[in-house]
Amino acid sequence: AQKITQTQPGMFVQEKEAVTLDCTYDTSDQSYGLFWYKQPSSGEMIFLIYQGSYDEQNATEGRYSLNFQKARKSANLVISASQLGDSAMYFCAMREPYSGGGADGLTFGKGTHLIIQP
Amino acid sequence: SAVISQKPSRDICQRGTSLTIQCQVDSQVTMMFWYRQQPGQSLTLIATANQGSEATYESGFVIDKFPISRPNLTFSTLTVSNMSPEDSSIYLCSVVPQGVLGYTFGSGTRLTVV
Repeated sequence: AQKITQTQPGMFVQEKEAVTLDCTYDTSDQSYGLFWYKQPSSGEMIFLIYQGSYDEQNATEGRYSLNFQKARKSANLVISASQLGDSAMYFCAMREPYSGGGADGLTFGKGTHLIIQP
Repeated sequence: SAVISQKPSRDICQRGTSLTIQCQVDSQVTMMFWYRQQPGQSLTLIATANQGSEATYESGFVIDKFPISRPNLTFSTLTVSNMSPEDSSIYLCSVVPQGVLGYTFGSGTRLTVV
């Protein structure tokens, strides 16, 4: 079973609109971390935001916020006032204490290709 | 935040040969991680490299195919051995700098096997 599910393969959004990228996760651990990364066409991986499982408040970083709903195992990324430069692949990822035998590695979702239209 | 220098940035290799990818970090880190990103796909963790011990491989990845070295706290190499076209991917290294929440990634190595 997938540990990270991103159900939106692609999204088109009008510039300046807010956009929500969905992410659900599956874990039986109490301690875990959730991450969002942006990957532009250049291929680099840009860290956007982090949410710890014990964090009571939703994480925010500038225009990025994470809508964390622990009971629903949901960690949606919200981008406010989208810009043309936000066009990229967005990956949700999870760190469990010991995933697949390795320590602290990330498990990624399949990603959402976001295109911002002028 | 740490800066990772990953080399080579891209290469085209003949099937049956091997390629060694290097990652140099500008600060000491305990763990280094190696990922593969197949064309149009997400990232998959290959292995975790801890200095002074053998790397820990994820299911589906074996040491004979992807040997890893971690001679010190700032450097690691991943070798892709006996390559086939199915190995054509982007390979990325990653670290968690001390005091930083997010994982930092190298710029990746785009490998094409012909």
